[in-house]
Amino acid sequence: AQTVTQSQPEMSVQEAETVTLSCTYDTSENNYYLFWYKQPPSRQMILVIRQEAYKQQNATENRFSVNFQKAAKSFSLKISDSQLGDTAMYFCAFMKHVDGNKLVFGAGTILRVKS
Amino acid sequence: DAGITQSPRHKVTETGTPVTLRCHQTENHRYMYWYRQDPGHGLRLIHYSYGVKDTDKGEVSDGYSVSRSKTEDFLLTLESATSSQTSVYFCAIASPNFYEQYFGPGTRLTVT
Repeated sequence: AQTVTQSQPEMSVQEAETVTLSCTYDTSENNYYLFWYKQPPSRQMILVIRQEAYKQQNATENRFSVNFQKAAKSFSLKISDSQLGDTAMYFCAFMKHVDGNKLVFGAGTILRVKS
Repeated sequence: DAGITQSPRHKVTETGTPVTLRCHQTENHRYMYWYRQDPGHGLRLIHYSYGVKDTDKGEVSDGYSVSRSKTEDFLLTLESATSSQTSVYFCAIASPNFYEQYFGPGTRLTVT
């Protein structure tokens, strides 16, 4: 079974600075996807970024980028120019290419952006 | 935003009573999922459906059953609610290419 580990329960960052959230995972699969979801206080789950395991290039979405290290099974999220609206719980998630495309989530990291 | 609604949004019930949560989608997507969210565990899959009347168990299925008689509706039933089932429940649908899951707004269930 796949497992996803987020080792940082809480983090804080000053507005406009950069922060990196860590995620490691364990799998024997070769084809899979990795995701970062954001959950603000509204409780809505919002997809931040997605990475396909077969792609070597790291995914980027505006101020959000990932550092995907397949051999090390590491998938960190970097948020640049942090904004107050980035304050949220962030979940790392894994999905196999087949088998119902079920998501396996980490426990989450609470990020607080301070002004 | 994907058209996913959940009802009710909040519910308080007593131990031993049956509870049914409803997920409704307007996207006509084939795959639907039920997750529960608990502190320290993230979201965990309860059951999922890959078509009308086609369902399968997830990681934490004990004490839960599901039904899907129409493409747009996916029901989660707690036959006899227990305090350990106090949680926030999320429904999700998979995009046709499976590259993304869209989540509903969640249901906060409290079992007293």
